[in-house]
Amino acid sequence: DSGVTQTPKHLITATGQRVTLRCSPRSGDLSVYWYQQSLDQGLQFLIQYYNGEERAKGNILERFSAQQFPDLHSELNLSSLELGDSALYFCASSRDSAAYNEQFFGPGTRLTVL
Amino acid sequence: GENVEQHPSTLSVQEGDSAVIKCTYSDSASNYFPWYKQELGKGPQLIIDIRSNVGEKKDQRIAVTLNKTAKHFSLHITETQPEDSAVYFCAAVPSLRGSQGNLIFGKGTKLSVKP
Repeated sequence: DSGVTQTPKHLITATGQRVTLRCSPRSGDLSVYWYQQSLDQGLQFLIQYYNGEERAKGNILERFSAQQFPDLHSELNLSSLELGDSALYFCASSRDSAAYNEQFFGPGTRLTVL
Repeated sequence: GENVEQHPSTLSVQEGDSAVIKCTYSDSASNYFPWYKQELGKGPQLIIDIRSNVGEKKDQRIAVTLNKTAKHFSLHITETQPEDSAVYFCAAVPSLRGSQGNLIFGKGTKLSVKP
């Protein structure tokens, strides 16, 4: 158990809908990262937050947004969902934003868009 | 931006044999290279990492080597065991300003260790 929790574990929804994925980092970790894992694209970095502020952005679609709250939990919002958004979404946390810090991954949320 | 290539995509070895997974990266300024292991139904877990000022690092049966000139790094697992069966990902941290911690992953190697 990495100490990172993600809810829900599974999410099934229809095209055009909006969903919210939630992540609670390990106790004391200030940095949260979101990654998308799909068969064709592999593990792709989406976005990073550090202590409530956006720190880095990857290939995140404009339909996707995220935020980190004062209690350090984070939410990833996916809107106008398309079939291709079906994937595993992982949240990871680390002590701070430094590159050398180990990132601890949660168990993931499996999103299925029908 | 940074790009990481990983080979092979699948690797099958006999228990007790060694396994080697190789990765190349494109950004010569990248300076941190972790390896993650992902078991079925779980998130990736760090198994070993190496910084650019080090050429080799060992931790029991696993080792990582880095060649900065050639921009490639490798994972070596010796005396493989069935519990080593998993998907292994190499990664690099890009040097772009503001991208201080996000990982750029290779496509993964599915390692199968046959008893």
